[in-house]
Amino acid sequence: KAGVTQTPRYLIKTRGQQVTLSCSPISGHRSVSWYQQTPGQGLQFLFEYFSETQRNKGNFPGRFSGRQFSNSRSEMNVSTLELGDSALYLCASSLADSTENIQYFGAGTRLSVL
Amino acid sequence: KNEVEQSPQNLTAQEGEFITINCSYSVGISALHWLQQHPGGGIVSLFMLSSGKKKHGRLIATINIQEKHSSLHITASHPRDSAVYICAVSGGSNYKLTFGKGTLLTVNP
Repeated sequence: KAGVTQTPRYLIKTRGQQVTLSCSPISGHRSVSWYQQTPGQGLQFLFEYFSETQRNKGNFPGRFSGRQFSNSRSEMNVSTLELGDSALYLCASSLADSTENIQYFGAGTRLSVL
Repeated sequence: KNEVEQSPQNLTAQEGEFITINCSYSVGISALHWLQQHPGGGIVSLFMLSSGKKKHGRLIATINIQEKHSSLHITASHPRDSAVYICAVSGGSNYKLTFGKGTLLTVNP
């Protein structure tokens, strides 16, 4: 069974641009969560989707958005990029409909904003 | 004060030593997770527990709900155990994980 796949693995953007990251969950998993990891703040929750519905959102500005498709694949978008958005973005999928279930992480997308 | 506190932040051990990493949390939770992150970023979920104790190979995780405290133990540590270990909690119907800052473990041969 394939794991969680994130594309692209690396991205370099400049300030003011926008970016879209993609996450394909493990087959059968309906929950997808997104996280941002930076050296200063560590891992922080961005949002979680289940059956195309966003169920919870972390404390990030509206420039960060996401969506989930009917096949459970998910995308997140960051508009008007800032230097501080440079980070490792991780997605994780889980089988059932709560985070009480094990989350399986992708390898992440490393975003650098210049 | 962070909702999830880990200690120590850094830990260096010699191969074969018994290792303990601690996690304390200040909120009500439904589950606590221990994660392992190797250099390069990949995160692996080691344990998810809501009570008692779990064991997988040389790794043992315990949780005390009343004291809001969990420990991760590694017996007979090995250099390949070198990684960042992260404690995270999930609560109720929040559907989100709140993370500790992580413990960087280095095991020397």
